[in-house]
Amino acid sequence: QVQLVESGGGVVQPGGSLRLSCVASGFTLSDSGMHWIRQAPGKGLEWVALKRSEETNLEHYTDSVKGRFTISRDNSRNTLFLQMNSLRPEDTAVYYCGRDFWGGPNYWGQGTLVTVSS
Amino acid sequence: DVVMTQSPLSLPVTLGQSASISCRSTQGLLHSDGRTYLSWFHQRPGQSPRRLIYKISDRDSGVPDRFSGSGSGTDFTLKISRVEAEDVGVFYCMQGTHWPLTFGGGTKVEIK
Repeated sequence: QVQLVESGGGVVQPGGSLRLSCVASGFTLSDSGMHWIRQAPGKGLEWVALKRSEETNLEHYTDSVKGRFTISRDNSRNTLFLQMNSLRPEDTAVYYCGRDFWGGPNYWGQGTLVTVSS
Repeated sequence: DVVMTQSPLSLPVTLGQSASISCRSTQGLLHSDGRTYLSWFHQRPGQSPRRLIYKISDRDSGVPDRFSGSGSGTDFTLKISRVEAEDVGVFYCMQGTHWPLTFGGGTKVEIK
């Protein structure tokens, strides 16, 4: 069955970097579009980025992370990444990866917490 | 960006009764491919979200038929028939038509 497991979260100072991982099982990552979505503590959901399937390989980002975050994929490890640079306190959130199916994620991981604080 | 506005923000419901949540977008969600990418999600306390509905009215695998979606253009509705205790939590709509993708602010459902 489809499973997504995120890791890589932690505490980082403003201006620092983190790389999140999302290991996929039960399907071939390169065949699917994959989302990153975040949720600040006590807040709602915010879409962050999408990497389309290998057919197009296009990437899309929300404006607040453009130029700072990069979504990528390692097909040999069936793993999705989110490289986050120049982190800000407002990036503090639980980050979820999700597999795209008709315009939104139909499978979600359990999330990994990123805290940006000095 | 397309703003998704949900109402109500909070919805107390009686077990066994029905409930409806509204979601309105600031732009039409009909994609150039002819499909409307409007999804509904449910998040129970302490859990990851789960998608219930996609393309306005298609139910995801394993979703009870108590959940139904409707609407078009900029106005959409999620209906829950025969509310059960497990339906507590927050419901979100999301548009997948325009970049960046955007979520509604959420509707918190609680049992009276």
